[in-house]
Amino acid sequence: EAGVAQSPRYKIIEKRQSVAFWCNPISGHATLYWYQQILGQGPKLLIQFQNNGVVDDSQLPKDRFSAERLKGVDSTLKIQPAKLEDSAVYLCASSLGFGQETQYFGPGTRLLVL
Amino acid sequence: GENVEQHPSTLSVQEGDSAVIKCTYSDSASNYFPWYKQELGKRPQLIIDIRSNVGEKKDQRIAVTLNKTAKHFSLHITETQPEDSAVYFCADDAGGTSYGKLTFGQGTILTVHP
Repeated sequence: EAGVAQSPRYKIIEKRQSVAFWCNPISGHATLYWYQQILGQGPKLLIQFQNNGVVDDSQLPKDRFSAERLKGVDSTLKIQPAKLEDSAVYLCASSLGFGQETQYFGPGTRLLVL
Repeated sequence: GENVEQHPSTLSVQEGDSAVIKCTYSDSASNYFPWYKQELGKRPQLIIDIRSNVGEKKDQRIAVTLNKTAKHFSLHITETQPEDSAVYFCADDAGGTSYGKLTFGQGTILTVHP
């Protein structure tokens, strides 16, 4: 079974630039999550989709972050404009259903904002 | 959940010893508690989880205990091996409208010395 795929793996940008991350969940997984993991901390949930609908985005900085999951499969997370404090690893995860199930994480995108 | 505190932040043991990591949570509605292992530069992976209707769960050398009254849960690793060296994260899920929304602890860096 193929795992969660993410791209790019690394990205370096200057502050105020924009950046986009892509995630392809495990086939058939209905729920998709985007997490932000700052160095030395645990992952923090940014947004949760069930199919193509948003379940929770309470911790997403909506003035600069946006995410979509068109057709309920792939998802993109965008930051515009980026700030220095956005430097982190952005992890995508998926789970089969909706609820307290195993979340399978992708390899992450490491973002450095200069 | 609302907040999850994890201790210790670092733990160093000799191969063959036991390791214990403790987490406390604040949300009394929390009813699902997974533990993730993250090796350096890799994705988090679920190693064990426990639901609020049981007090203990074991899987080979790994066990998790839950005390709902005191709002804490612990990860126990027996007969540690060098390959157990990683960062371990606890998390909780309050269910209800937050179904699937995990709140992670800050992580514990476990080092097992041969």
